Amino acid sequence: AQKVTQAQTEISVVEKEDVTLDCVYETRDTTYYLFWYKQPPSGELVFLIRRNSFDEQNEISGRYSWNFQKSTSSFNFTITASQVVDSAVYFCALSAVDYKLSFGAGTTVTVRA
Amino acid sequence: GAVVSQHPSWVICKSGTSVKIECRSLDFQATTMFWYRQFPKQSLMLMATSNEGSKATYEQGVEKDKFLINHASLTLSTLTVTSAHPEDSSFYICSARLFFSYEQYFGPGTRLTVT
Repeated sequence: AQKVTQAQTEISVVEKEDVTLDCVYETRDTTYYLFWYKQPPSGELVFLIRRNSFDEQNEISGRYSWNFQKSTSSFNFTITASQVVDSAVYFCALSAVDYKLSFGAGTTVTVRA
Repeated sequence: GAVVSQHPSWVICKSGTSVKIECRSLDFQATTMFWYRQFPKQSLMLMATSNEGSKATYEQGVEKDKFLINHASLTLSTLTVTSAHPEDSSFYICSARLFFSYEQYFGPGTRLTVT
């Protein structure tokens, strides 16, 4: 069985501060994928990134960056120079051999102007 | 590409009635579709997995007779909430998966309110 833990329930920052969201996962499968999604107040899930278990390279996309470390089973997400539009709930998720997605509890990010 | 639609976006129904929610993959054929339920301030919980032409597989604790899933084609899956009760009020989200892909494409969700 898969498990994803997002220990931070809520994070509140002032605009331009950096925000790091933690994600720790558990799986017995050797092949798996990790995802991050953003859910704004409208409710629609926005895909941010997919990373497979064999690719530990960190990734940067604009103000977003991800740090994947298999040794600690973590896939953390950093928003640099946060903006009010980044306010949303962010979910980390894992998919393994059964293709089912297991979501973490989510972290609510509030960016204040 | 890889667009998934849901209809309706929101629905209000009376207790005891049934409601059908449609999930369509608009520009690809989906081997598998998934249905999730999300209560306010909670995470997405997988309800069931449906494959075209076969019976849906329900997660533990989900009543298969209450949440009827039909996956009649590679582009359409429907979720029918039968004899709805106020506790069924929730945000229902579907997703679709391409053959041999780990990625799921999500619909915009349907907000169900049972009065």
